[in-house]
Amino acid sequence: AQKVTQAQTEISVVEKEDVTLDCVYETRDTTYYLFWYKQPPSGELVFLIRRNSFDEQNEISGRYSWNFQKSTSSFNFTITASQVVDSAVYFCALSGYNFNKFYFGSGTKLNVKP
Amino acid sequence: GAVVSQHPSWVICKSGTSVKIECRSLDFQATTMFWYRQFPKQSLMLMATSNEGSKATYEQGVEKDKFLINHASLTLSTLTVTSAHPEDSSFYICSARLAAYEQYFGPGTRLTVT
Repeated sequence: AQKVTQAQTEISVVEKEDVTLDCVYETRDTTYYLFWYKQPPSGELVFLIRRNSFDEQNEISGRYSWNFQKSTSSFNFTITASQVVDSAVYFCALSGYNFNKFYFGSGTKLNVKP
Repeated sequence: GAVVSQHPSWVICKSGTSVKIECRSLDFQATTMFWYRQFPKQSLMLMATSNEGSKATYEQGVEKDKFLINHASLTLSTLTVTSAHPEDSSFYICSARLAAYEQYFGPGTRLTVT
């Protein structure tokens, strides 16, 4: 069965703090993709990153970084020096090799306070 | 980049009426389109998958007679909520995929049934 778990429902931090959003997934597929999306109050999903199951290299993009560990089936997302504009709901998602059905986690609401 | 649009972005309708939501892939031909529903403070749940020229495949628990999906062309899919009721009020998001490539999400349509 495919499943994505985001155990953190809501996180509040003060601006400039670092914050890590957890994502644990389950799949029987050997080839799969993992994603992170940001959903601001407007509702539109903003694509952040895609990772395939064969690439375990960590990725850094500005203040964002991602840690993919197949051994623990985790794909965690860290925001360094958080800013108020980072406040949003963040979703982790899993899809098969053909980008067919997406399985979304329940989302983590991040509140960054000034 | 691939762009998917939805129209309308928000709609209010009276209970018992039907409402149609359009999903268009603007700069690519989508062989497959997907419809998701998101209730407030919840995750995205796949409702149905539609392939151009064929009947949509609905997820378990989704009433196909209530949520009519038409994918008449490679750039347009429509979701019609028939005899809408207040419990159908939700955020509806479509996504489009070209062959086995990545899904691209639309900006969503907020439906309120009064």
